[in-house]
Amino acid sequence: DAGVIQSPRHEVTEMGQEVTLRCKPISGHNSLFWYRQTMMRGLELLIYFNNNVPIDDSGMPEDRFSAKMPNASFSTLKIQPSEPRDSAVYFCASSRLGWGDTEAFFGQGTRLTVV
Amino acid sequence: AQSVTQPDIHITVSEGASLELRCNYSYGATPYLFWYVQSPGQGLQLLLKYFSGDTLVQGIKGFEAEFKRSQSSFNLRKPSVHWSDAAEYFCAVVYSNYQLIWGAGTKLIIKP
Repeated sequence: DAGVIQSPRHEVTEMGQEVTLRCKPISGHNSLFWYRQTMMRGLELLIYFNNNVPIDDSGMPEDRFSAKMPNASFSTLKIQPSEPRDSAVYFCASSRLGWGDTEAFFGQGTRLTVV
Repeated sequence: AQSVTQPDIHITVSEGASLELRCNYSYGATPYLFWYVQSPGQGLQLLLKYFSGDTLVQGIKGFEAEFKRSQSSFNLRKPSVHWSDAAEYFCAVVYSNYQLIWGAGTKLIIKP
């Protein structure tokens, strides 16, 4: 398996623009996580999907953020409109059973810069 | 409240020297613990995990960690570091079946 695949790797956009980040989890994994990493706040869980259903989106910072998982092999995180404070590295991770007794595998991340 | 503390923000070690990265947790139940490593510009990779059983856990890349319940610690060790070990290391404890509590990370710098 190619692992968790995220695209794009880098995104630079102007404030106010819509940004869409994409994630392809590992085949057979039914749990998907979106994380945000910043120097100030470290790793933050934004949203957790189980079997394509959003279970906990309490970490989504504002209504400007939305996430979807239309099928088991694809998820998106959208920011509309984007703001400079959204600049961060966004990670997608997937696992078979949440954090239960299995590990989660992380993608390489999308580095988002909003200018 | 549950928390994970990595008291060292940076650690500098000479190549070939031994390494110990500290992790302390605060959690009421029996913890599930992880160490992840993040190389520059990369995602996080699992080094090792503790769920139960032997308190000395072996991981990849020659790392090991020891769970000490009495000290609420899960320190990461390596007997001899290599330049390729320079990275940031994160300790984490499972809070629920989908929530981890992450430490702030320790950046490891290797001196030649």
